[in-house]
Amino acid sequence: DIQMTQSPSSLSASVGDRVTITCRASESVRVYLNWYLQKPGQAPKVLIFSTSNLQSGVPRRFSASRSGTVFTLTISGLQPEDSGTYYCQQSYSTPKTFGQGTKVEVK
Amino acid sequence: QVLVQQWGAGLLKPSQTLSLTCSISGGSFGSYYCSWIRQSPGKGLEWIGEISHSGSTNYNPSLGSRVSISVDMSKSQFSLTLTSLTAADTAVYYCARELLADNAFDYWSPGTPVIVSS
Repeated sequence: DIQMTQSPSSLSASVGDRVTITCRASESVRVYLNWYLQKPGQAPKVLIFSTSNLQSGVPRRFSASRSGTVFTLTISGLQPEDSGTYYCQQSYSTPKTFGQGTKVEVK
Repeated sequence: QVLVQQWGAGLLKPSQTLSLTCSISGGSFGSYYCSWIRQSPGKGLEWIGEISHSGSTNYNPSLGSRVSISVDMSKSQFSLTLTSLTAADTAVYYCARELLADNAFDYWSPGTPVIVSS
């Protein structure tokens, strides 16, 4: 199985801050990396698909990139509604696997 | 507008079988896979398996032969069966649509809490 490792596991930032979350794959997943945000009591919601493509309806303050097997999600100008847990997920091979999550608190 | 709904029993005893059904409406039937995913506090998000509109399946080897996913094309419904339940199977179970073009889970069901307890 491809292991997905996220860092940090949690962070606290202020409104307007720039926030970066990293996801490292244990082997190549090419561009098949997605990012999700999950709020308490809800299903995850896709933000970014295939490394850097913004899902329809997702604010442009979300962006993402890749360097080899390291993927980065950036929030430029953190907003209160961005709080929740962020997950990366690889769809390159089965079993499809998720990172352990990064909990974001907005101060 | 795509709508994903699911239903099935949520309180089961050890050794029993979990059966959940998922309905995905509003999309082009042949353009996506349906995946089952579960989430427990101890193990985060775990992909259980997927099925195509033609019935082609992939499963998570961690579940061995206990898992089976099927499709009823006439109703756009997908079913999950998980046998020989233990407390470790306690989780919230989701079904999710994965567009073949995007390879991401773009629509999810609200989830069904499943508790396995004697």
